[in-house]
Amino acid sequence: AQSVTQLGSHVSVSEGALVLLRCNYSSSVPPYLFWYVQYPNQGLQLLLKYTTGATLVKGINGFEAEFKKSETSFHLTKPSAHMSDAAEYFCAVSDLRSGYSTLTFGKGTMLLVSP
Amino acid sequence: NAGVTQTPKFRVLKTGQSMTLLCAQDMNHEYMYWYRQDPGMGLRLIHYSVGEGTTAKGEVPDGYNVSRLKKQNFLLGLESAAPSQTSVYFCASSQPEGLAGGTYEQYFGPGTRLTVT
Repeated sequence: AQSVTQLGSHVSVSEGALVLLRCNYSSSVPPYLFWYVQYPNQGLQLLLKYTTGATLVKGINGFEAEFKKSETSFHLTKPSAHMSDAAEYFCAVSDLRSGYSTLTFGKGTMLLVSP
Repeated sequence: NAGVTQTPKFRVLKTGQSMTLLCAQDMNHEYMYWYRQDPGMGLRLIHYSVGEGTTAKGEVPDGYNVSRLKKQNFLLGLESAAPSQTSVYFCASSQPEGLAGGTYEQYFGPGTRLTVT
């Protein structure tokens, strides 16, 4: 079965610092990979996704992620954190065995941004 | 275009009571999903549907039932609520690749916060 591991339930950065949120997945077939963001008391919003093609994908709000098949990773980065980036971030995987119809989510990483 | 809406936003139930959560989407999506979110657990799939009249079990289906009688609506039922079902419930919809507008991106509703005492 597919699974997702997000290292660190909480990550703290200073405003202007690099943001790095880690995601490793387990899938025996080519995966589709997603990062979602959840602001307090809201639903989830897609940040970016990888399906096929270019392994470096850019998303909204200056975030990007790189699919590394050899490392089974899809880490999320942003060069300079902003206070408005404080939220919970979820990595998710989908694969061909489900017809890409379902997502398996990681447990989430809360990003804290200090002034 | 409202996207995905959920009714109600909040609910408190006593153990053993029943209720139905309603999800509606206006994007003509084929697929719909119900998740529960608990602290430190991420989102876990309860049931999903890949088309009108179809349903399938997800990771945590016990204690829940669903129905998809109309393409735009997906209902989640709790027949006899238990304190372990205290959670935030999210509905989502998506359109598969190969159909118009298909990207597999899931669009989420705002959530329903359910407390069972």
